[in-house]
Amino acid sequence: GAVVSQHPSRVICKSGTSVKIECRSLDFQATTMFWYRQFPKQSLMLMATSNEGSKATYEQGVEKDKFLINHASLTLSTLTVTSAHPEDSSFYICSARDPGGGAYTQYFGPGTRLTVL
Amino acid sequence: AQSVTQLGSHVSVSEGALVLLRCNYSSSVPPYLFWYVQYPNQGLQLLLKYTTGATLVKGINGFEAEFKKSETSFHLTKPSAHMSDAAEYFCAVKGDFGNEKLTFGTGTRLTIIP
Repeated sequence: GAVVSQHPSRVICKSGTSVKIECRSLDFQATTMFWYRQFPKQSLMLMATSNEGSKATYEQGVEKDKFLINHASLTLSTLTVTSAHPEDSSFYICSARDPGGGAYTQYFGPGTRLTVL
Repeated sequence: AQSVTQLGSHVSVSEGALVLLRCNYSSSVPPYLFWYVQYPNQGLQLLLKYTTGATLVKGINGFEAEFKKSETSFHLTKPSAHMSDAAEYFCAVKGDFGNEKLTFGTGTRLTIIP
């Protein structure tokens, strides 16, 4: 089946620093990837849709200058949390659509736990 | 616009008993529906999906779901619960034509009682 990886799985950083999270599709090419944020015991909230070779589309209320998304290749999208603050602490999950998977199926990465001190 | 309602944020069943997790949706177009499972500190794993065709969909780990248009429902069932089924389950619906976004329900935490 389609496999999506994320790196790192867990990161702790100081307030004011920037953190980059990578999302890779391992066995398929993904023209579209998605970034979600999940607060404890809550559902997933879509942050942005990442399209290879073009600018990401952000959901309402998501600061594009704070959450920088780059989708430079068909297998890699990155999310950079700039000038992170404690309120940015969360579980970040990416997903990728496998064009061969049919029916707009999204395959999810294992998630990245970000803790900002 | 699409929306998903999962009734029951917590469901507990005994090992070996029937599992029933409820999902109702709202969609302005024929829906594509999904069930995902999330284990602690992990991403989401696709259990099953409905697009078109047969309304009873079978997925992994013995789960199945039935699309009922008249009831706008897509409930998830498993005849006999196993301890390893304990997890968070999310129902999701795809957006309108050409819109790949998924709208998730709030999730149901399934606990299995030994």
